[in-house]
Amino acid sequence: GAGVSQSPSNKVTEKGKDVELRCDPISGHTALYWYRQSLGQGLEFLIYFQGNSAPDKSGLPSDRFSAERTGGSVSTLTIQRTQQEDSAVYLCASSPGDRSYEQYFGPGTRLTVT
Amino acid sequence: QKEVEQDPGPLSVPEGAIVSLNCTYSNSAFQYFMWYRQYSRKGPELLMYTYSSGNKEDGRFTAQVDKSSKYISLFIRDSQPSDSATYLCAMKGHAGKSTFGDGTTLTVKP
Repeated sequence: GAGVSQSPSNKVTEKGKDVELRCDPISGHTALYWYRQSLGQGLEFLIYFQGNSAPDKSGLPSDRFSAERTGGSVSTLTIQRTQQEDSAVYLCASSPGDRSYEQYFGPGTRLTVT
Repeated sequence: QKEVEQDPGPLSVPEGAIVSLNCTYSNSAFQYFMWYRQYSRKGPELLMYTYSSGNKEDGRFTAQVDKSSKYISLFIRDSQPSDSATYLCAMKGHAGKSTFGDGTTLTVKP
């Protein structure tokens, strides 16, 4: 079946512009995660959605970052007033549920802020 | 101090070598222990998982968990150039999100 998809695959933007990154999780998966991965670094947790519960936003680095998940499916990560330090690969993952150990990752969106 | 610490690497080994990748953790609530493999410019993919303590084998890969020492390992036997990737350990409790290590980059030279 279809895996997790993300769009765009690459995004180049100017400093100060807003960007939106999209994630389509695997159908039926109730848990959705966003991570950031800088070059050669590990995964930095950003935000976690589980069903209809309030999202865990504890990893968002600043109030310029926000995310929403509509209808329990598609999610959008928005970065306002982008800065050069926001340049990274943004990865989305989905999971069958809160108690599942498996996360299925998308290919990521490579964001470059010039 | 991070909840999960992973041996940083990078590791470079000759083909056929045995590789040991290791993580330590501090949260006693962790019950699930996973290893993800990430090829360059790809998302991580789940390689193996273990529930609680013990060993689990899958082909050339063995995952080992020692909860008393809060230490987990992934062993790769007869390593191949195709094993060259970044390996990330991850852990979680019965519910909630996983916590990832920073990854170890492995290169297997022919």
